[in-house]
Amino acid sequence: TQLLEQSPQFLSIQEGENLTVYCNSSSVFSSLQWYRQEPGEGPVLLVTVVTGGEVKKLKRLTFQFGDARKDSSLHITAAQPGDTGLYLCAGLSDYKLSFGAGTTVTVRA
Amino acid sequence: GAGVSQSPSNKVTEKGKDVELRCDPISGHTALYWYRQSLGQGLEFLIYFQGNSAPDKSGLPSDRFSAERTGGSVSTLTIQRTQQEDSAVYLCASSRPGLGFVDEQFFGPGTRLTVL
Repeated sequence: TQLLEQSPQFLSIQEGENLTVYCNSSSVFSSLQWYRQEPGEGPVLLVTVVTGGEVKKLKRLTFQFGDARKDSSLHITAAQPGDTGLYLCAGLSDYKLSFGAGTTVTVRA
Repeated sequence: GAGVSQSPSNKVTEKGKDVELRCDPISGHTALYWYRQSLGQGLEFLIYFQGNSAPDKSGLPSDRFSAERTGGSVSTLTIQRTQQEDSAVYLCASSRPGLGFVDEQFFGPGTRLTVL
């Protein structure tokens, strides 16, 4: 049973379009992290959000943490082929990370 | 600097055989984690080592799975009498708790295990 539900599972868009990935949970986490994973590699941390309602921007990526610290979203503006990958959200409770199943994003040139 | 390394990168074995997977964490990282990633699934926590404390084994799926960490550095995950459902990518991560407000885990590239 996944503690964190991600949607959509797959997303294929054209270069230049925008996209949003959602991460929802019934549990409250002390913080939430977003990772990106490429084939044959381990996940790489993109951002950590800690405060309810927090918004963080990383170039074309915008991350939001819900007010109740149960949900989060990742928005990519003007997606590029280099954004292609598996995006994972993970909730932190003590030292343990609980991961969502991931969203596979494909950006077509 | 060197990141987390894992070996082998790929392992194919026959059902019923034992396998050992190795993880070399980043030097100075006291915390080490093992995860399992099955196709279409997120990462599943297996076990956590922190310094000299007793490991948190709460994620190990059965008593066929065990792990040890020698000298606070290298870790080995052992799966005995492998089953086909053990086929997955096994990921190791390390971190240095206390360095930042929120612990950042650094992942290795994983070992892809296939049980025939």
